[in-house]
Amino acid sequence: GAGVSQSPRYKVAKRGQDVALRCDPISGHVSLFWYQQALGQGPEFLTYFQNEAQLDKSGLPSDRFFAERPEGSVSTLKIQRTQQEDSAVYLCASSLPGASGNEQFFGPGTRLTVL
Amino acid sequence: AQRVTQPEKLLSVFKGAPVELKCNYSYSGSPELFWYVQYSRQRLQLLLRHISRESIKGFTADLNKGETSFHLKKPFAQEEDSAMYYCALRGLGNEKLTFGTGTRLTIIP
Repeated sequence: GAGVSQSPRYKVAKRGQDVALRCDPISGHVSLFWYQQALGQGPEFLTYFQNEAQLDKSGLPSDRFFAERPEGSVSTLKIQRTQQEDSAVYLCASSLPGASGNEQFFGPGTRLTVL
Repeated sequence: AQRVTQPEKLLSVFKGAPVELKCNYSYSGSPELFWYVQYSRQRLQLLLRHISRESIKGFTADLNKGETSFHLKKPFAQEEDSAMYYCALRGLGNEKLTFGTGTRLTIIP
């Protein structure tokens, strides 16, 4: 079956624009994660859903960042009034729930460039 | 707070030579440790995790709680091992992963 997919793969935005990034997890995967990866850094956690419930949003850097997963499947990460420091690759991952050791499967990422 | 440190940003090794990628962590409890790999133009994928104690593609990693380390080793490097390697930690009762900054491994033919 298909892995995690993300769209768009590349996005260029002017500073101040709003953007929406989409993630389609693996079918049946209850848990969904968003990570931000700046150039030369490892991925950094943004937020986590179990089904439609957002259980952890401690990594969201500001109130300009908002994520949703209304039907417990597809998720959207929205960034309002983008700033240059938002330029990064945004990774989505999904996994089966709970028990220790569950592997997170990553999507190809969306590369956001804010001019 | 949980933290993962990979001290080497770049590592070059000759084909056939041993490889060791270093990873140290900080966590007050019993963590789960992982190595993820990203080959050129591919997505991030799990290489191995400490709880399974497997050898994947000839790589092994042992969790050393005394030294808070989880170094990745392979006795004989192959050209196809060239990639970006990330060490990651998951805390008990947590779902999120905390990653190190990564090590780019280049195998010299």
